[in-house]
Amino acid sequence: SQKIEQNSEALNIQEGKTATLTCNYTNYSPAYLQWYRQDPGRGPVFLLLIRENEKEKRKERLKVTFDTTLKQSLFHITASQPADSATYLCALYTGRRALTFGSGTRLQVQP
Amino acid sequence: DVKVTQSSRYLVKRTGEKVFLECVQDMDHENMFWYRQDPGLGLRLIYFSYDVKMKEKGDIPEGYSVSREKKERFSLILESASTNQTSMYLCASSFWQNTEAFFGQGTRLTVV
Repeated sequence: SQKIEQNSEALNIQEGKTATLTCNYTNYSPAYLQWYRQDPGRGPVFLLLIRENEKEKRKERLKVTFDTTLKQSLFHITASQPADSATYLCALYTGRRALTFGSGTRLQVQP
Repeated sequence: DVKVTQSSRYLVKRTGEKVFLECVQDMDHENMFWYRQDPGLGLRLIYFSYDVKMKEKGDIPEGYSVSREKKERFSLILESASTNQTSMYLCASSFWQNTEAFFGQGTRLTVV
């Protein structure tokens, strides 16, 4: 079955550094991969979508890469700020019309 | 801005009660979804719908049913609530497949 893996351990970094989060998937070849941010007690909020023919996508301080050979996406936040502290989820369509989500990685940016 | 509204933020129900969770979206989206989220398990898909009166089971449909009588509204029904259905329930909608999903604020349901 489709599996989406994100590092379940929290990532702690210092303000100003680059945070890098990993999403690995198996048993599928998605055409698109998405990243969401979730704050405690709130619903996820869409951040970025990357297509299989796009190696990299940027939005302000965010950068996403998509390696379909490795079946991996990397999510980078440059010049991180304490306000970036949240859980980040990757998601993809796995052959049905609904997104399947990874369990998320919690990012903590220390001032 | 797209808005997905869930009827309650917090809900406390007794075991055996029939529970209705309502979700409304205002952007004429085709797809609507119900997920539940539990610590360590991430978001798990319960049911989804890609058209009025159409529904498909997700990964954990047991103990739940859904209703979509109008395009903008998608209801999740717990036929007989049990304590293991205590969870955060999240509704979402999307315009079409491969587009981003918009989530509601979530309903934290406690079954006692």
